[in-house]
Amino acid sequence: DAGVIQSPRHEVTEMGQEVTLRCKPISGHNSLFWYRQTMMRGLELLIYFNNNVPIDDSGMPEDRFSAKMPNASFSTLKIQPSEPRDSAVYFCASSQGTGNSHDFGSGTRLTVV
Amino acid sequence: RKEVEQDPGPFNVPEGATVAFNCTYSNSASQSFFWYRQDCRKEPKLLMSVYSSGNEDGRFTAQLNRASQYISLLIRDSKLSDSATYLCVVSGSSNTGKLIFGQGTTLQVKP
Repeated sequence: DAGVIQSPRHEVTEMGQEVTLRCKPISGHNSLFWYRQTMMRGLELLIYFNNNVPIDDSGMPEDRFSAKMPNASFSTLKIQPSEPRDSAVYFCASSQGTGNSHDFGSGTRLTVV
Repeated sequence: RKEVEQDPGPFNVPEGATVAFNCTYSNSASQSFFWYRQDCRKEPKLLMSVYSSGNEDGRFTAQLNRASQYISLLIRDSKLSDSATYLCVVSGSSNTGKLIFGQGTTLQVKP
């Protein structure tokens, strides 16, 4: 069982550049979640999908952020253009059904300089 | 008011001590409850689910009080390896699988 797989593990980019984070959920899980974690704000839900359909993107901070889930085994979170305040750890998580716990990926540590 | 509130700590305790964390939540419609553990620079991992009747897993005991909207975690005979941040997690009100995470309580167990 591979678990939730995220890439890259670390990303350092310059302000203004486009950043794409990738996630492969656990096979058979029908919900996928993107979170952002910082020391100041803790773990924040950005967006989640049920059966590949975006359900709630109210946590997405700005139009610079976008997420897609073209199929059940892949999702991307894109930031364009990136800013230093986007620096954080971005986690992807997946779950099966409703009311169940989430399995998290190892996260992508993003630094925007 | 935050949807899930926890005392951030840190709680500094000696090995072998018993320590308890508390959490309150605002949404009375929440149906599922969990404690997660997060080690430094790692992802959150499920520690245990919390059931209405209370449940135990080795040295860990979780309790739920729906009337007071209160969840607790008790750790007995604490070990150095228990040092971590403990996140209280509550399901959202809609039937979509969304979970609400508390800010976490940091525990440091010292020799």
